[in-house]
Amino acid sequence: DAKTTQPTSMDCAEGRAANLPCNHSTISGNEYVYWYRQIHSQGPQYIIHGLKNNETNEMASLIITEDRKSSTLILPHATLRDTAVYYCIVRVREGQGAQKLVFGQGTRLTINP
Amino acid sequence: DTAVSQTPKYLVTQMGNDKSIKCEQNLGHDTMYWYKQDSKKFLKIMFSYNNKELIINETVPNRFSPKSPDKAHLNLHINSLELGDSAVYFCASSAGPGQYQPQHFGDGTRLSIL
Repeated sequence: DAKTTQPTSMDCAEGRAANLPCNHSTISGNEYVYWYRQIHSQGPQYIIHGLKNNETNEMASLIITEDRKSSTLILPHATLRDTAVYYCIVRVREGQGAQKLVFGQGTRLTINP
Repeated sequence: DTAVSQTPKYLVTQMGNDKSIKCEQNLGHDTMYWYKQDSKKFLKIMFSYNNKELIINETVPNRFSPKSPDKAHLNLHINSLELGDSAVYFCASSAGPGQYQPQHFGDGTRLSIL
């Protein structure tokens, strides 16, 4: 499996941009980068995914380096509700055509007032 | 409206009992999943069904038996509960089984074995 490396924890001030890095140096050409987050006592929530190009949606932006060995999730204006564990997932193994999300430990992001 | 709903939210029971957790999705998705999150907070996939057909079956004890009566429902029955089964169980769904489809999760069922 392509392993991901994320900081265990990060802090960010409310209103500032939160930049969450992820290293995935063994990613293969057909593997996507996914980001999910888990707010306390809730189920994981899909944020964004990408293959090669940078992606943006209403929640966040995903910047993938040209060599695809690392990526950064950007929350442009962090709010207190963005406090959560953020998971970077690059190994989506397919069994019988199905998607398996393999979660690591993630980054615990704390947004401070 | 809740997209993926699980019942019960909390389940406290004794070792050796048999229990079921129900999951329903109203997103019109074809694929559903069960995940287990242990005390160390690692999330691991257990099963996946696509159109009522089992497509992922991870190394899970035979005491765990999923059942999908229709595309919108995926239930999990657990026989002879053990202390190690204490965890949070999450149901999820996606439009299809492919890797392009984001998964939508329920809020989990917290199972505690006494």
